[in-house]
Amino acid sequence: QLQLQESGPGLVRPSETLSLTCTVSGGSISSSSYYWGWIRQPPGEGLEWIGNIYYSGSTYYKSSLKSRVTMSVDTSKNQFSLKLTSVTAADTAVYYCARIPRMVPIDYWGQGTLVTVSS
Amino acid sequence: DIQMTQSPSSLSASVGDRVTITCRASHGIRNDLGWYQQKPGKAPKRLIYAASSLQSGVPSRFSGSGSGTEFTLTISSLQPEDFATYYCLQHNSYPLTFGQGTKVEIK
Repeated sequence: QLQLQESGPGLVRPSETLSLTCTVSGGSISSSSYYWGWIRQPPGEGLEWIGNIYYSGSTYYKSSLKSRVTMSVDTSKNQFSLKLTSVTAADTAVYYCARIPRMVPIDYWGQGTLVTVSS
Repeated sequence: DIQMTQSPSSLSASVGDRVTITCRASHGIRNDLGWYQQKPGKAPKRLIYAASSLQSGVPSRFSGSGSGTEFTLTISSLQPEDFATYYCLQHNSYPLTFGQGTKVEIK
């Protein structure tokens, strides 16, 4: 059974960089059938797609976040990562990592991790 | 960007009721749509993919229909465990976009 687990600091100071890692178990991140993505959900609000990365390193980012987002993949550790720079309180959210098959929508999600931006 | 307009934003229903939720896409997305259920403090769970295909293990009271720009999620007989928030997601083109969500509450 595939599992995804987010890890990283739960508190980030304004203007600093949010860094999260997703560890994939029960399957290979190097499969050609899937993208790997990040989605966030501010408290009490809806879901927002941030971006995807393929095992080769190719990426798609939401345009409004593109200047601040970097995703990377480490196939040796079966992990992928998110960096979001210059954070503000508006970036406070539960961040989910997810598996995105090439032809159907997101099928597996991590449990989510709350990141709070506050001084 | 493709906008997904989901309605209603919330509804109150009783156990046994038939419930219908709608998503409209701003551009045609073929059948590149999924439906998700989210309970408080939990990750979303996929119910439907390809607009009308039932995810394995999901009760048959859930069904999806539509193609192009109009999609519906129907719960034929609402059960206590179905009280949750439901989201549609289009994956036809980037950026992937979600509907705003429909919160299904107990009447």
